[in-house]
Amino acid sequence: YELTQPPSVSVSPGHTATLTCSGDLLGKKYSSWYQQRPGQSPILVIYEDSKRPSGIPERFSASNSANTATLTIAETQDVDEGDYYCQAWDDRTAVFGGGTKLTVL
Amino acid sequence: DVQLLESGGSVVQRGGSLRLSCGASGFTFELFAMAWVRLAPGTGLQWVSSISATSGATSYRDSVQGRFTISRDNVKNILYLDMQSLRTEDSAIYYCAKESMGRLSVAGLNSFDSWGRGTLVTVSS
Repeated sequence: YELTQPPSVSVSPGHTATLTCSGDLLGKKYSSWYQQRPGQSPILVIYEDSKRPSGIPERFSASNSANTATLTIAETQDVDEGDYYCQAWDDRTAVFGGGTKLTVL
Repeated sequence: DVQLLESGGSVVQRGGSLRLSCGASGFTFELFAMAWVRLAPGTGLQWVSSISATSGATSYRDSVQGRFTISRDNVKNILYLDMQSLRTEDSAIYYCAKESMGRLSVAGLNSFDSWGRGTLVTVSS
């Protein structure tokens, strides 16, 4: 099972970033999203398609339907720069997308 | 706060073996599944293996099946990854991650909700 993400997305500060993740019938699975800033460990920003862990700003939202999961970051800030990975399970195997490098410029 | 601290990474020759450890604190270790996830240079995150809370179930990615063994000690609160027959493509930062459920991939709901800082494994040719 494969998850496909665009390698890079650029956004201007204060604008909305939209990151996508595609997979066969992904909408029938639960998706999670992880942020990894340069030199840091990943952190969970979205789980069960659209839920935010405590401490994650409301600017982060997500959805999942058909073959695409989408992470939306509103009012993007410099601190949001980094790599973003989507993830889902295929039976007992966890699958990560290739990651999208978000640049805020 | 959840804390996960990996150790054991080093430089090892191709074909060699290594044991990684992950000390856990700040949560009830025996209630949650745990996983190893790696990040190789120039590639993205790659799930390696998971183990259920009670060690009753394990799963591995195909490329490490038969070479790596995940285990845990719920008394000492330590997660392990025994790696054998190491290949150059196993070189990566290995992260220990806490899963959100006790069983493996519960209806696909599990997420990796806490991560350690990682330990670097380099396999030389």
